[in-house]
Amino acid sequence: DTEVTQTPKHLVMGMTNKKSLKCEQHMGHRAMYWYKQKAKKPPELMFVYSYEKLSINESVPSRFSPECPNSSLLNLHLHALQPEDSALYLCASSQEMNSYGYTFGSGTRLTVV
Amino acid sequence: AQRVTQPEKLLSVFKGAPVELKCNYSYSGSPELFWYVQYSRQRLQLLLRHISRESIKGFTADLNKGETSFHLKKPFAQEEDSAMYYCALSGRGSYIPTFGRGTSLIVHP
Repeated sequence: DTEVTQTPKHLVMGMTNKKSLKCEQHMGHRAMYWYKQKAKKPPELMFVYSYEKLSINESVPSRFSPECPNSSLLNLHLHALQPEDSALYLCASSQEMNSYGYTFGSGTRLTVV
Repeated sequence: AQRVTQPEKLLSVFKGAPVELKCNYSYSGSPELFWYVQYSRQRLQLLLRHISRESIKGFTADLNKGETSFHLKKPFAQEEDSAMYYCALSGRGSYIPTFGRGTSLIVHP
């Protein structure tokens, strides 16, 4: 298995809802990442997990809460989002926090109404 | 600080024409450079990295440290090459890549 799988592919949520995004990989990668991507823009780093521990939080608002239950799974819990949070949320993984390139998931397209 | 500049937001060529997508970087140490591609409604994929000096789908990129560039080239563009291309840089101090703003390549028939 050489893929990063993200679910759901699409999500519409209200500003008072609580939802979660899920990311899974079975490549034995020990670093996992959440990125936010707006249309026609590069991905913006949100969080980095290394060996299931949060290594980097790029000053992301607390309405986004990441979780890494095990080495294969990464979640992003969403609560009280704003319409401007609508974007494509990408998960990626790499062998370690190194520079050998990432494997990206296909993303969850989130719309906040 | 590390920075990646892709000067062209959009590049439009005809099928069979040569293509060069420009990427310039700023980094004080030894950089690792990558090109990622994102086809319409598909995932972001690693296209190539300078360290492996490979050619993928006919694309090549050479790291020019003197000019601090890592331009992506293909001698004969195909319609299926139409996509968004992102240049990215990782440094030995921080392995988290910095992405350029991207260049949208459109190949006309």
